[in-house]
Amino acid sequence: DAKTTQPPSMDCAEGRAANLPCNHSTISGNEYVYWYRQIHSQGPQYIIHGLKNNETNEMASLIITEDRKSSTLILPHATLRDTAVYYCIVRVWNNNAGNMLTFGGGTRLMVKP
Amino acid sequence: NAGVTQTPKFRILKIGQSMTLQCTQDMNHNYMYWYRQDPGMGLKLIYYSVGAGITDKGEVPNGYNVSRSTTEDFPLRLELAAPSQTSVYFCASSSRRGHTEAFFGQGTRLTVV
Repeated sequence: DAKTTQPPSMDCAEGRAANLPCNHSTISGNEYVYWYRQIHSQGPQYIIHGLKNNETNEMASLIITEDRKSSTLILPHATLRDTAVYYCIVRVWNNNAGNMLTFGGGTRLMVKP
Repeated sequence: NAGVTQTPKFRILKIGQSMTLQCTQDMNHNYMYWYRQDPGMGLKLIYYSVGAGITDKGEVPNGYNVSRSTTEDFPLRLELAAPSQTSVYFCASSSRRGHTEAFFGQGTRLTVV
């Protein structure tokens, strides 16, 4: 699986958009980009994933550059409850291992009032 | 809807003791995983299973054993606990369909003294 690089921490004002970047310059053509978050010490929570098209769901939007070497997770109106560690993960689906995930250090997002 | 349930939530073990961390899911997922998370770090895969009767090692399997006798349950056994096994343990599951999300339990916080 491709390695990802994320800033260790970011701040965001409540109500504003939070834009979390992820670099995955060695991504291969069949690897997907996944985002998970971990609030305090809870279990990680799935947010969104994509291959090459931009994706949006009720939680967030995922913007993937045309060359697929980087992506941005956008939380459109951050709230205090969005304070968490956000993990960007790149992987290919493997029938022999399912959705086995490799977690890096992630970005600690602090949403401030 | 329970999802992934882990027990116990907290446990203190003495060096050399053994214990089993329980994990059960009610989503009929084929794939199940055990991760550990040390303070300030990302999650590391210990063991995984692609279905009942099939298990395989992850990144950090030493000191642990697993079994998968049913689709629902995936217990993690610690033999001869060591201080290095002090960590938070997360169980997760995902369906057979490709590129779906993994669902995580709330974790078991284990301290070995």
